[in-house]
Amino acid sequence: QSVLTQPPSVSGAPGQRVTISCTGSNSNIGAGYDVHWYQQLPGTAPKLLIYDNNKRPSGVPDRFSGSKSGTSASLAITGLQTEEEADYYCQAYDSSLSGFVFGTGTTVTVL
Amino acid sequence: EVQLLESGGGLVQPGGSLRLSCAVSGFTFSKYAMTWVRQAPGKGLEWVSTIGGRGDATYYADSVKGRFTISRDISENTLYLQMNSLRAEDTAIYYCARAGTVLAIATEFDSWGQGTVVSVSS
Repeated sequence: QSVLTQPPSVSGAPGQRVTISCTGSNSNIGAGYDVHWYQQLPGTAPKLLIYDNNKRPSGVPDRFSGSKSGTSASLAITGLQTEEEADYYCQAYDSSLSGFVFGTGTTVTVL
Repeated sequence: EVQLLESGGGLVQPGGSLRLSCAVSGFTFSKYAMTWVRQAPGKGLEWVSTIGGRGDATYYADSVKGRFTISRDISENTLYLQMNSLRAEDTAIYYCARAGTVLAIATEFDSWGQGTVVSVSS
C-alpha cells in the first residue's frame, strides 16, 4: 500500500503552471530521505523526471522542478504542454518498511 | 546506452510459479542495485524488491516476502525474480529498473525496462 499521498488529478491549460503534492511521514520524507519523481506516459514505462528532490536528469526540460519541505514534496510543471498529459509518481525510501514507497499517483490533464 | 529487457511473463494458475528475467546492457551491472516494480491493471506503481550491486543485500515488500526471491547473475548481466505461490493479486506488469547507486537503499530508479506481463488466473 502507498504511504505517500498525492492528489488523484490536476489539470491546466497549455502554458499554465501546475503543481503536484506528495505527502509522507516521519519515516520517509520527514526522515530526510530524498524524493524522486517519475512520469509515465500512457502505455509506457515510467521515466525518471526529478531525483534527489530537485535535480533533473539530462534531457528533462527545466520546466519541471521539485522541492521538499518537512514531510512533503512538490513537483511543478511550468509552461504545460499537451504531450505532458501523463501520470506522475513520487517515490522515497521508508525506514519503517525497510523499503521503497511510491506515491498514489497523479494524472495530469491538459485542458 | 543503458538497456533493460524483461522476459518470462505469462499466464499462470494461482499457486503456480514463474521466473522473470531482466537482461541488461550498456553499464557495469555490479555497480548498481537493481529493483523490480509492478503495476496492477489500472493501478499505481508498487515497489516489489531490490538487490544490492554485489547481490549481498535483498529487500522485499511485505506483500511478496516469503514468496518471491530476487537474485542477479553478474556474469550473465541478468536480474531475476523467482515468484512462487502466485496469487490473483500478483497480476501486473513487472518492470525491472536500475537504481542510482550500488546500495539498495534510499535511491532513485534511473532506467526502466518496458515491462513483462504476469497474469495469475485459473
